[in-house]
Amino acid sequence: SQQGEEDPQALSIQEGENATMNCSYKTSINNLQWYRQNSGRGLVHLILIRSNEREKHSGRLRVTLDTSKKSSSLLITASRAADTASYFCATVRTGGNNNDMRFGAGTRLTVKP
Amino acid sequence: DSGVTQTPKHLITATGQRVTLRCSPRSGDLSVYWYQQSLDQGLQFLIQYYNGEERAKGNILERFSAQQFPDLHSELNLSSLELGDSALYFCASSVRDRGFGELFFGEGSRLTVL
Repeated sequence: SQQGEEDPQALSIQEGENATMNCSYKTSINNLQWYRQNSGRGLVHLILIRSNEREKHSGRLRVTLDTSKKSSSLLITASRAADTASYFCATVRTGGNNNDMRFGAGTRLTVKP
Repeated sequence: DSGVTQTPKHLITATGQRVTLRCSPRSGDLSVYWYQQSLDQGLQFLIQYYNGEERAKGNILERFSAQQFPDLHSELNLSSLELGDSALYFCASSVRDRGFGELFFGEGSRLTVL
């Protein structure tokens, strides 16, 4: 079963525009991570945000986390055609019997040149 | 290149058969994770090993088993295969024991069960 739910399922934008993807989850977490997957390839880690952090930046990526709303967002600024991929959030729970990383269904981003 | 190697890349087999997928983690990583990705179930966590010991278990079927060897490579064994087992199987590795830090994924093994 999946923990995170990404929104939207698919997003199509023009090159240069910003892309925002959202992730909602149900239980308390230790950290939340975003990954990117090009079609049929392995996942690539983008950014990790801990439960006590609210915002993190990495290059053109900005991630926010709101634990009170159990949600996170990934913003890609000044998008490029090469950003076309599926983006997944992954929630990490640790402690006791809850020790896993669960991925959402992903957002498929298309950036048109 | 993540440094994680998975073989075979593609595998086609019949229902009822057994297959073994192999994973070599990044140099220095002691944790290995197995995930299954299918269209209907998405990415499902199967199991984690750390330095040869099972650390966490997810939605792994009883027909599936895994192990991590002293040289740290891991194998995922899938038996009594069913059509629904057709999927991409990913291995990932990390330096961490617990807490699921950044994972480095291999390119996956695509299993087709006919």
